[in-house]
Amino acid sequence: NAGVTQTPKFRILKIGQSMTLQCTQDMNHNYMYWYRQDPGMGLKLIYYSVGAGITDKGEVPNGYNVSRSTTEDFPLRLELAAPSQTSVYFCASCRGNQETQYFGPGTRLLVL
Amino acid sequence: QKEVEQNSGPLSVPEGAIASLNCTYSDRGSQSFFWYRQYSGKSPELIMFIYSNGDKEDGRFTAQLNKASQYVSLLIRDSQPSDSATYLCAVNIPNDYKLSFGAGTTVTVRA
Repeated sequence: NAGVTQTPKFRILKIGQSMTLQCTQDMNHNYMYWYRQDPGMGLKLIYYSVGAGITDKGEVPNGYNVSRSTTEDFPLRLELAAPSQTSVYFCASCRGNQETQYFGPGTRLLVL
Repeated sequence: QKEVEQNSGPLSVPEGAIASLNCTYSDRGSQSFFWYRQYSGKSPELIMFIYSNGDKEDGRFTAQLNKASQYVSLLIRDSQPSDSATYLCAVNIPNDYKLSFGAGTTVTVRA
């Protein structure tokens, strides 16, 4: 199993551009999450999903959108990138409630 | 009050010593507790999880849970330079699908 994979590893965006961060898991996990982590800070939840077709906002959803059309994929869309979205983005998945979350390697995003 | 609080770091310990990390949580209904290790520039990786009161040992790591005091700790025995990392405490949010993460404690093991 590859576990949780994320692409790209690193990206530079100009202000106002948009992009999609990809996340795929091959563990047949129902639950998937997107976090951002600013330098020296903890993880902040952006969006999460408890199954295909079901998504919900976390604590910092503004400026982002998600979709979950399959169990495996959970892409994160940034519209109109802003410097405040410069961060490292982690995708995670888990089998069920109260279970261990497994993290992808992260995407480092720089908005200039 | 933050849902999960960890002792502020950084924590510096000599090689071979015991590193003690503490975490308190606010919701008495929490049932699942996790410790993650995060190396600089890497993603968090699970070290241990604990569900029941008491101690749980895995190699050089011991997790301790006291639900009455709403306290979970991680002990790293015989600390090695490779243990230098940030350690994140995570606690499940009752009746929800999410974990609440602490801000992390950075540990440096001096050779």
